[in-house]
Amino acid sequence: AQKITQTQPGMFVQEKEAVTLDCTYDTSDQSYGLFWYKQPSSGEMIFLIYQGSYDEQNATEGRYSLNFQKARKSANLVISASQLGDSAMYFCAMREYTGNQFYFGTGTSLTVIP
Amino acid sequence: GAGVSQSPSNKVTEKGKDVELRCDPISGHTALYWYRQSLGQGLEFLIYFQGNSAPDKSGLPSDRFSAERTGGSVSTLTIQRTQQEDSAVYLCASSPRQGRQGNQPQHFGDGTRLSIL
Repeated sequence: AQKITQTQPGMFVQEKEAVTLDCTYDTSDQSYGLFWYKQPSSGEMIFLIYQGSYDEQNATEGRYSLNFQKARKSANLVISASQLGDSAMYFCAMREYTGNQFYFGTGTSLTVIP
Repeated sequence: GAGVSQSPSNKVTEKGKDVELRCDPISGHTALYWYRQSLGQGLEFLIYFQGNSAPDKSGLPSDRFSAERTGGSVSTLTIQRTQQEDSAVYLCASSPRQGRQGNQPQHFGDGTRLSIL
Protein backbone atom coordinates (compact mmCIF):
# COMPACT_ATOMS: atom_id res chain seq x y z
CA ALA A 1 0.00 0.00 0.00
CA GLN A 2 1.11 3.53 -0.73
CA LYS A 3 2.28 5.41 2.32
CA ILE A 4 1.34 8.78 0.83
CA THR A 5 -1.44 9.34 -1.69
CA GLN A 6 -1.99 12.53 -3.63
CA THR A 7 -5.02 12.04 -5.83
CA GLN A 8 -4.88 15.33 -7.75
CA PRO A 9 -2.28 15.16 -10.52
CA GLY A 10 -3.14 18.70 -11.61
CA MET A 11 -4.99 21.65 -10.13
CA PHE A 12 -5.87 25.12 -11.38
CA VAL A 13 -6.68 28.14 -9.23
CA GLN A 14 -7.47 31.74 -9.97
CA GLU A 15 -4.97 34.25 -8.68
CA LYS A 16 -5.90 35.55 -5.19
CA GLU A 17 -8.17 32.57 -4.53
CA ALA A 18 -7.50 29.81 -1.99
CA VAL A 19 -6.73 26.24 -3.03
CA THR A 20 -6.57 22.92 -1.17
CA LEU A 21 -4.15 20.18 -2.19
CA ASP A 22 -5.11 16.75 -0.89
CA CYS A 23 -2.87 14.28 0.89
CA THR A 24 -3.75 11.08 2.68
CA TYR A 25 -1.30 8.83 4.45
CA ASP A 26 -1.06 5.30 5.74
CA THR A 27 0.79 4.37 8.92
CA SER A 28 0.26 2.27 12.01
CA ASP A 29 2.79 4.34 13.97
CA GLN A 30 1.54 6.76 16.62
CA SER A 31 4.49 9.13 16.16
CA TYR A 32 5.08 10.59 12.74
CA GLY A 33 5.58 13.87 10.96
CA LEU A 34 3.97 15.22 7.82
CA PHE A 35 5.71 17.64 5.47
CA TRP A 36 4.85 19.60 2.36
CA TYR A 37 7.41 20.61 -0.23
CA LYS A 38 7.17 22.85 -3.28
CA GLN A 39 9.14 22.12 -6.44
CA PRO A 40 9.10 24.94 -9.02
CA SER A 41 10.03 24.29 -12.62
CA SER A 42 13.62 25.13 -11.74
CA GLY A 43 13.74 21.86 -9.82
CA GLU A 44 14.72 22.75 -6.27
CA MET A 45 12.68 21.26 -3.42
CA ILE A 46 11.51 23.88 -0.95
CA PHE A 47 10.21 22.93 2.50
CA LEU A 48 6.88 24.64 3.25
CA ILE A 49 5.25 23.32 6.40
CA TYR A 50 5.37 20.56 9.02
CA GLN A 51 2.69 18.88 11.16
CA GLY A 52 3.51 16.47 13.96
CA SER A 53 1.15 13.63 14.81
CA TYR A 54 0.80 14.89 18.38
CA ASP A 55 0.18 18.50 17.40
CA GLU A 56 -3.33 19.50 18.36
CA GLN A 57 -3.33 22.71 16.36
CA ASN A 58 -3.16 22.84 12.58
CA ALA A 59 0.21 24.13 11.41
CA THR A 60 0.38 27.51 9.69
CA GLU A 61 3.24 29.26 7.90
CA GLY A 62 2.26 32.53 6.28
CA ARG A 63 -0.14 31.76 3.45
CA TYR A 64 0.25 28.02 3.97
CA SER A 65 -1.81 26.03 6.43
CA LEU A 66 -2.21 22.33 6.96
CA ASN A 67 -5.67 20.89 7.49
CA PHE A 68 -4.76 17.91 9.68
CA GLN A 69 -7.48 15.33 10.26
CA LYS A 70 -5.80 12.54 12.16
CA ALA A 71 -8.75 10.15 12.29
CA ARG A 72 -9.12 10.38 8.51
CA LYS A 73 -5.34 10.26 8.03
CA SER A 74 -5.36 13.33 5.87
CA ALA A 75 -3.03 16.31 5.80
CA ASN A 76 -4.26 18.70 3.15
CA LEU A 77 -2.29 21.81 2.26
CA VAL A 78 -4.26 25.04 1.99
CA ILE A 79 -2.72 27.95 0.11
CA SER A 80 -4.54 31.22 0.65
CA ALA A 81 -4.47 34.22 -1.69
CA SER A 82 -2.73 32.32 -4.50
CA GLN A 83 0.03 34.08 -6.38
CA LEU A 84 1.46 33.40 -9.83
CA GLY A 85 4.68 32.28 -8.15
CA ASP A 86 2.80 29.47 -6.44
CA SER A 87 2.65 27.58 -9.74
CA ALA A 88 4.73 24.48 -9.07
CA MET A 89 4.64 20.80 -8.11
CA TYR A 90 3.67 20.16 -4.51
CA PHE A 91 4.74 17.01 -2.67
CA CYS A 92 3.37 15.62 0.56
CA ALA A 93 5.76 13.52 2.65
CA MET A 94 5.71 11.54 5.87
CA ARG A 95 8.35 10.31 8.25
CA GLU A 96 7.53 7.67 10.81
CA TYR A 97 9.40 8.08 14.09
CA THR A 98 10.37 4.41 14.06
CA GLY A 99 11.94 4.57 10.62
CA ASN A 100 14.51 6.47 8.61
CA GLN A 101 12.74 7.16 5.38
CA PHE A 102 10.69 10.06 4.20
CA TYR A 103 7.87 8.74 2.03
CA PHE A 104 6.78 11.07 -0.76
CA GLY A 105 3.58 11.23 -2.75
CA THR A 106 3.51 11.51 -6.53
CA GLY A 107 2.82 15.22 -6.34
CA THR A 108 0.19 17.71 -7.49
CA SER A 109 0.92 20.21 -10.23
CA LEU A 110 -0.63 23.57 -9.34
CA THR A 111 -1.19 26.25 -11.95
CA VAL A 112 -2.24 29.73 -10.86
CA ILE A 113 -4.24 31.54 -13.52
CA PRO A 114 -3.97 35.33 -13.73
CA GLY B 1 24.98 29.97 4.95
CA ALA B 2 25.71 27.30 2.39
CA GLY B 3 22.98 24.89 1.46
CA VAL B 4 23.29 21.34 0.16
CA SER B 5 25.67 21.30 -2.77
CA GLN B 6 25.55 18.70 -5.52
CA SER B 7 27.91 18.17 -8.40
CA PRO B 8 27.90 17.95 -11.29
CA SER B 9 24.63 19.74 -12.04
CA ASN B 10 24.38 17.88 -15.33
CA LYS B 11 26.02 14.68 -16.53
CA VAL B 12 25.72 13.08 -19.94
CA THR B 13 27.40 9.74 -20.44
CA GLU B 14 27.28 6.69 -22.64
CA LYS B 15 25.51 3.50 -21.68
CA GLY B 16 27.84 1.15 -19.84
CA LYS B 17 30.01 3.83 -18.28
CA ASP B 18 30.32 4.38 -14.53
CA VAL B 19 29.28 7.70 -12.98
CA GLU B 20 29.90 9.34 -9.62
CA LEU B 21 27.58 11.94 -8.17
CA ARG B 22 28.66 14.07 -5.24
CA CYS B 23 26.73 15.61 -2.37
CA ASP B 24 28.06 18.04 0.19
CA PRO B 25 25.47 18.41 2.97
CA ILE B 26 24.82 21.37 5.20
CA SER B 27 27.49 21.59 7.89
CA GLY B 28 26.37 19.90 11.09
CA HIS B 29 23.63 17.86 9.45
CA THR B 30 24.05 14.26 10.48
CA ALA B 31 21.41 12.73 8.20
CA LEU B 32 21.90 12.45 4.44
CA TYR B 33 19.49 11.03 1.86
CA TRP B 34 19.71 10.20 -1.82
CA TYR B 35 16.61 10.18 -4.03
CA ARG B 36 15.93 9.60 -7.70
CA GLN B 37 13.27 11.57 -9.56
CA SER B 38 12.33 10.47 -13.05
CA LEU B 39 10.69 12.98 -15.38
CA GLY B 40 7.31 14.03 -14.02
CA GLN B 41 7.46 11.55 -11.18
CA GLY B 42 7.74 11.69 -7.41
CA LEU B 43 10.82 11.00 -5.36
CA GLU B 44 12.17 7.47 -5.09
CA PHE B 45 14.20 6.83 -1.94
CA LEU B 46 17.61 5.30 -2.57
CA ILE B 47 19.76 5.38 0.56
CA TYR B 48 20.01 7.04 3.97
CA PHE B 49 23.04 7.82 6.15
CA GLN B 50 22.83 8.82 9.82
CA GLY B 51 26.08 9.74 11.49
CA ASN B 52 28.38 6.74 11.78
CA SER B 53 25.57 4.19 11.73
CA ALA B 54 25.26 1.60 8.99
CA PRO B 55 23.39 3.13 6.06
CA ASP B 56 19.85 2.14 5.11
CA LYS B 57 20.34 0.83 1.57
CA SER B 58 16.85 -0.58 1.17
CA GLY B 59 15.96 1.72 -1.72
CA LEU B 60 18.89 0.96 -4.01
CA PRO B 61 17.36 -0.52 -7.19
CA SER B 62 20.22 -2.86 -8.08
CA ASP B 63 23.76 -3.82 -7.14
CA ARG B 64 24.99 -1.38 -9.78
CA PHE B 65 24.15 1.39 -7.32
CA SER B 66 26.29 2.12 -4.29
CA ALA B 67 26.97 5.07 -2.02
CA GLU B 68 29.41 6.04 0.63
CA ARG B 69 29.77 8.88 3.04
CA THR B 70 33.23 9.82 4.15
CA GLY B 71 33.87 11.35 7.56
CA GLY B 72 30.17 11.81 8.16
CA SER B 73 30.04 14.61 5.60
CA VAL B 74 30.43 14.37 1.83
CA SER B 75 28.64 11.52 0.08
CA THR B 76 29.21 9.93 -3.31
CA LEU B 77 26.57 7.95 -5.21
CA THR B 78 28.12 5.62 -7.78
CA ILE B 79 26.24 3.97 -10.62
CA GLN B 80 28.19 1.27 -12.44
CA ARG B 81 27.53 0.09 -16.00
CA THR B 82 24.86 2.74 -16.51
CA GLN B 83 21.66 1.89 -18.35
CA GLN B 84 19.27 4.22 -20.15
CA GLU B 85 16.67 3.71 -17.43
CA ASP B 86 19.11 5.29 -14.98
CA SER B 87 18.42 8.65 -16.64
CA ALA B 88 16.83 10.86 -13.98
CA VAL B 89 17.50 13.70 -11.59
CA TYR B 90 19.37 12.51 -8.50
CA LEU B 91 18.57 14.59 -5.45
CA CYS B 92 20.50 14.73 -2.21
CA ALA B 93 19.04 16.02 1.04
CA SER B 94 20.36 16.51 4.53
CA SER B 95 18.79 17.19 7.88
CA PRO B 96 19.78 17.57 11.50
CA ARG B 97 19.41 14.51 13.68
CA GLN B 98 15.71 13.79 14.15
CA GLY B 99 14.29 14.39 17.59
CA ARG B 100 11.41 12.50 19.15
CA GLN B 101 8.87 14.27 16.99
CA GLY B 102 10.83 13.63 13.82
CA ASN B 103 10.12 17.19 12.85
CA GLN B 104 13.34 18.14 11.14
CA PRO B 105 12.68 18.81 7.45
CA GLN B 106 15.09 17.77 4.77
CA HIS B 107 17.04 20.41 2.92
CA PHE B 108 17.58 19.52 -0.71
CA GLY B 109 20.33 20.24 -3.17
CA ASP B 110 19.57 21.32 -6.73
CA GLY B 111 20.16 17.80 -8.01
CA THR B 112 22.24 16.19 -10.71
CA ARG B 113 20.48 15.65 -14.03
CA LEU B 114 21.87 12.39 -15.41
CA SER B 115 21.34 11.48 -19.05
CA ILE B 116 22.44 8.11 -20.40
CA LEU B 117 22.84 7.98 -24.16
